[in-house]
Parts: sequence; structure tokens; C-alpha cells
Amino acid sequence: GQQVMQIPQYQHVQEGEDFTTYCNSSTTLSNIQWYKQRPGGHPVFLIQLVKSGEVKKQKRLTFQFGEAKKNSSLHITATQTTDVGTYFCAGPIGSARQLTFGSGTQLTVLP
Amino acid sequence: EADIYQTPRYLVIGTGKKITLECSQTMGHDKMYWYQQDPGMELHLIHYSYGVNSTEKGDLSSESTVSRIRTEHFPLTLESARPSHTSQYLCASRGQSMNTEAFFGQGTRLTVV
Repeated sequence: GQQVMQIPQYQHVQEGEDFTTYCNSSTTLSNIQWYKQRPGGHPVFLIQLVKSGEVKKQKRLTFQFGEAKKNSSLHITATQTTDVGTYFCAGPIGSARQLTFGSGTQLTVLP
Repeated sequence: EADIYQTPRYLVIGTGKKITLECSQTMGHDKMYWYQQDPGMELHLIHYSYGVNSTEKGDLSSESTVSRIRTEHFPLTLESARPSHTSQYLCASRGQSMNTEAFFGQGTRLTVV
């Protein structure tokens, strides 16, 4: 079925290193959203991308939406311990445009 | 701060008991969702609703049921809790447009002993 795939599932980085998570959809998306879930917390909305090839930045975070609107990435420059958590992408999938979440990437930042 | 609330936050209950997890939102959102999640892992959609008297099962097979009698309220009921139900349950809501974000409650961490 239609789904949103996300890689890697886990990533351990040393503090100060960069981190990237990738999201791929089996179908063209009208938009892609990114969420962050801190350990023990709940997912919190970070950003939404709508346009083909769109790039948005939030401080050290850079979000990209692919030209074909089927993939997206989140890149964190110079990770900090506060970046620890699970990052999810989500897109409207299917005839009901159900908001479907990727499997998430669990980021660990080693001090 | 999102106006979506879940109670209880933590619950330990014995096998075979009936429980209801509460979720309420004050944003007037039509769409509401229940997810099951092990810590930091994938979100599994178990039920959703697009409005009053509308409920659907999600991708994950679940022995739970839901109701949507009022827009703001979307309770989840387990008729007979089992240890395999031990998990975190997250409720979410969003507005009508495809471009709206989802707001999550703080979750209910359920342990069935």
C-alpha cells in the first residue's frame, strides 16, 4: 500500500557532527511535515513544506522537499545534546489524504 | 501550547479489566486520531475520526473501540486489557485542511499486569 518510508531508523552521532534523515513516499505528496519527539514526550510539529524543491531553515535545521515531491530530508548541522529525540516525517496519503507518518529516525547525540 | 488533553497520564491495571482512555481538544478540530507507540518507535494508527459519529479503524489491528459523540471528545476503550496492550497511547487532532499540522496530547502510558 501507499506509505512513507524513513531512513535510517537509528543514528548515533558525536556532539558537533552533522545528521541527516531521509523520507521517501511511494506517491507524490501535496505537502510534507516534520515532527520531533523528545524522549518521554509527544511529537511536536516542526515545519511544513509545500512547494517542489522547497528549502526551509530553522537555525541549525535545514528541511528540503524534492523536485518530484516524493522525498524530503532533514539535516541538522553541528548537533547538540538538545537535538536528541525521534524525528518523524508525515504526508497526506491515499484517497482520504490521511496524514501518514514515517517510521521515524531516533537520534542519539553523544557528548 | 496545544489544547489537547489526555487522561490519565499513567495507568497500571490488571489483566481483564475494562479501561477508557480520555482525549479532549478545545480547538474545534474535526479530525482526531489514536496512535499506539512503543518509546521512540513508529506511530501505529489504531483509530481515527473525521467528525461526530464518524470513526474508522487504522492500520494496526486493535482490540479497542472508540466513539465520537462530541467534536471535542474522542475516548478509547479497551474491553479486556491484556499485557500485550502495554504501550503508550497518543491522541492527536488536526483541522480540516490537508495543510494543517497535527497536535498531540501528552499521551497515556499504559501498563497491564
